[in-house]
Amino acid sequence: GNSVTQMEGPVTLSEEAFLTINCTYTATGYPSLFWYVQYPGEGLQLLLKATKADDKGSNKGFEATYRKETTSFHLEKGSVQVSDSAVYFCALRRSGNQFYFGTGTSLTVIP
Amino acid sequence: SAVISQKPSRDICQRGTSLTIQCQVDSQVTMMFWYRQQPGQSLTLIATANQGSEATYESGFVIDKFPISRPNLTFSTLTVSNMSPEDSSIYLCSVAGTIDTEAFFGQGTRLTVV
Repeated sequence: GNSVTQMEGPVTLSEEAFLTINCTYTATGYPSLFWYVQYPGEGLQLLLKATKADDKGSNKGFEATYRKETTSFHLEKGSVQVSDSAVYFCALRRSGNQFYFGTGTSLTVIP
Repeated sequence: SAVISQKPSRDICQRGTSLTIQCQVDSQVTMMFWYRQQPGQSLTLIATANQGSEATYESGFVIDKFPISRPNLTFSTLTVSNMSPEDSSIYLCSVAGTIDTEAFFGQGTRLTVV
């Protein structure tokens, strides 16, 4: 079946540290992959996406590359800020309608 | 993109009562979904709201407990019926277009049942 496995948190980093949040997936065919961010008290916002193998999604300094050979879509940022503190969700969408979400990774960035 | 207005943003309800959550989208969308997000957890899909027909429910969710309406392509409601404290959660409305496109989310309804 389809599923997303995401690195468990919580993650605490100092400002300007490097961030990696691991995400691997299981899916038949060629899913589209997404990273969403959820700030406290809010809904999910799309952070970036990739729709085919080797695509790199990027936004606000965050990047993730669709790696078909390792079925991964790891989220990275070179220098995190306090304002990046949030919960991050990896997700996939198969050719169909349903989305599958990871369990979420809570990130806290301390000054 | 789509802008989603979800109401109410939060509510505190007595057990045994029902709450209807509204989801209004600023454009016509193909797919509308309702999710539940329990504290510190990921999203669990409750159902897909189908325009003009009955919603499609996921395993563990039934129409009697979570009736859904979708009278047109921009609006849907989710009712949480005969509530118990176990229903305390965040309920999220989401929409998506055709294959490969992302989902958009409302800001959520934070429900507390006492």
